[in-house]
Amino acid sequence: DAGVIQSPRHEVTEMGQEVTLRCKPISGHDYLFWYRQTMMRGLELLIYFNNNVPIDDSGMPEDRFSAKMPNASFSTLKIQPSEPRDSAVYFCASSFGGGVGVTEAFFGQGTRLTVV
Amino acid sequence: GENVEQHPSTLSVQEGDSAVIKCTYSDSASNYFPWYKQELGKGPQLIIDIRSNVGEKKDQRIAVTLNKTAKHFSLHITETQPEDSAVYFCAADYGGYQKVTFGTGTKLQVIP
Repeated sequence: DAGVIQSPRHEVTEMGQEVTLRCKPISGHDYLFWYRQTMMRGLELLIYFNNNVPIDDSGMPEDRFSAKMPNASFSTLKIQPSEPRDSAVYFCASSFGGGVGVTEAFFGQGTRLTVV
Repeated sequence: GENVEQHPSTLSVQEGDSAVIKCTYSDSASNYFPWYKQELGKGPQLIIDIRSNVGEKKDQRIAVTLNKTAKHFSLHITETQPEDSAVYFCAADYGGYQKVTFGTGTKLQVIP
């Protein structure tokens, strides 16, 4: 398997524009996570899905952020409108729960978002 | 919710020496404690994890210890090598939920 695949790797956009980040999890994994990484706040969990259903979105910073998982092999994180403070590296990760408790999360390479 | 504190934030060691990173957590219901290594430009990658039913786990040059009573756990890297240079994150779960809270990270530099 190619691992978790994120696109784009880098995104530069102007303030006010819509940004869409994409993620393809590892085949067979039933959990998908979106994280944001900044120097100030470290690695923050934004939202996670189980079997394509959002379980916990308490980390989503505000209504400008939304995430979807229309099927088991694809998820998007959308920011509309984007602001300079949204500049960060966004990671997608997936894991296989298997009913054994918390398990290893496999991370993608991340999308570095810069909002100017 | 879970709060994970990690120390030190930066650590420099000579090649061949040992490195120790310590973390504390707040939720007594936490049972899963992974450690991730993040190299520059990459996503974090699991290097070792421990569950609450054991006190220590070892994998070659890395080991993790857990003290549930004191709510702290540590990562030990022996015989450090330049390729160990990276940022290391500890994490703890939310008492059974399939999610973890990460510590703030330790930037380890191994000096050849």
